[in-house]
Amino acid sequence: DTGVSQDPRHKITKRGQNVTFRCDPISEHNRLYWYRQTLGQGPEFLTYFQNEAQLEKSRLLSDRFSAERPKGSFSTLEIQRTEQGDSAMYLCASSWQGSGELFFGEGSRLTVL
Amino acid sequence: KQEVTQIPAALSVPEGENLVLNCSFTDSAIYNLQWFRQDPGKGLTSLLLIQSSQREQTSGRLNASLDKSSGRSTLYIAASQPGDSATYLCALLNDYKLSFGAGTTVTVRA
Repeated sequence: DTGVSQDPRHKITKRGQNVTFRCDPISEHNRLYWYRQTLGQGPEFLTYFQNEAQLEKSRLLSDRFSAERPKGSFSTLEIQRTEQGDSAMYLCASSWQGSGELFFGEGSRLTVL
Repeated sequence: KQEVTQIPAALSVPEGENLVLNCSFTDSAIYNLQWFRQDPGKGLTSLLLIQSSQREQTSGRLNASLDKSSGRSTLYIAASQPGDSATYLCALLNDYKLSFGAGTTVTVRA
């Protein structure tokens, strides 16, 4: 069990560029979540997958954001035309449907200049 | 919509003192409650999970209680150490979604 893995850990980009983050969940977990955390706040829910199906998207996830989980394994979160307000820590978590206990990765910190 | 509040926002104690961290929530129809620890710039580490049917959970120096009727949970850390300095977050699971408080930042002075 290697835990939840996220890549890259830190991304610095210029406004208007596209960025993509990857999350590899714990292998036997069928649920995968993306959260966003800004300084001094708790994480906010963005979206979640059960297997390969994206079952809910928060209204925080504008049309510039897209998440995928092909084949129900790893997931990617893409942000198009980044804005300075997108600067945050993007956290991925996974869980087994029956347990309800979420395990988080180390996060991917995005800085938009 | 679940609202989660953690008070105080920050706490500083001398080493050896017991810590009491509070979490209150508005919707008692929860599946479970998790307490997490977060070090600066890092992800979240799960400390304790309390199922909806449980009243408390213990792990080493940590004890967490859950009172759904009053919408409160408390995390106790006994005999604090400088290594306990971190931000502690509580989170409640409704259906599939965790709702977080803003956290309590703890500093343990040597």
